[in-house]
Amino acid sequence: DQQVKQNSPSLSVQEGRISILNCDYTNSMFDYFLWYKKYPAEGPTFLISISSIKDKNEDGRFTVFLNKSAKHLSLHIVPSQPGDSAVYFCAATSLRTGANNLFFGTGTRLTVIP
Amino acid sequence: EPEVTQTPSHQVTQMGQEVILRCVPISNHLYFYWYRQILGQKVEFLVSFYNNEISEKSEIFDDQFSVERPDGSNFTLKIRSTKLEDSAMYFCASSQDPGQGNNEQFFGPGTRLTVL
Repeated sequence: DQQVKQNSPSLSVQEGRISILNCDYTNSMFDYFLWYKKYPAEGPTFLISISSIKDKNEDGRFTVFLNKSAKHLSLHIVPSQPGDSAVYFCAATSLRTGANNLFFGTGTRLTVIP
Repeated sequence: EPEVTQTPSHQVTQMGQEVILRCVPISNHLYFYWYRQILGQKVEFLVSFYNNEISEKSEIFDDQFSVERPDGSNFTLKIRSTKLEDSAMYFCASSQDPGQGNNEQFFGPGTRLTVL
């Protein structure tokens, strides 16, 4: 079951620069996408979401872009801060089918270097 | 800020024993979920629960698993006869109402289950 993929297991970025985390999906029924941040020994923390009726959603330093034709979304963090260092998970679901379970990617470990 | 809580943080059990993992979802949320993450693997959906019944479950959620909302605040996952492969982090989550056009699920800190 690889419906949501994060092909980069890790990413290192200098403090103050932009972090771009990528996610691809295969299920065309997905219409709602979320990004979670996870520290070791903690649960995933919700960051930002986007509905398929939009192509961009912004919240402070975090922006999510959705390209439906490419079945691709990305999370931009700018400027990156050392506290952003964590594992980032992309998740997707299909609200239109009434399903409410999330399908997660395998995560990307972001390291922000001071 | 309201949060999902889970107890215990770590549960060690012998194979074949029953375990109950407990969760207190956010108080005004209507949907409750259990997910698990086996070490080194992705977070996987187990079950969702709404209006005192299971609304959706995955293939993982077989007859050894059950969920219950015994009172107005707790949401439990019972594993009847644990197997070695049940060792994982189990996360509880809750959300308001996906019918409102979003499904922002808020996760608890997890219970690490170790089956020996």
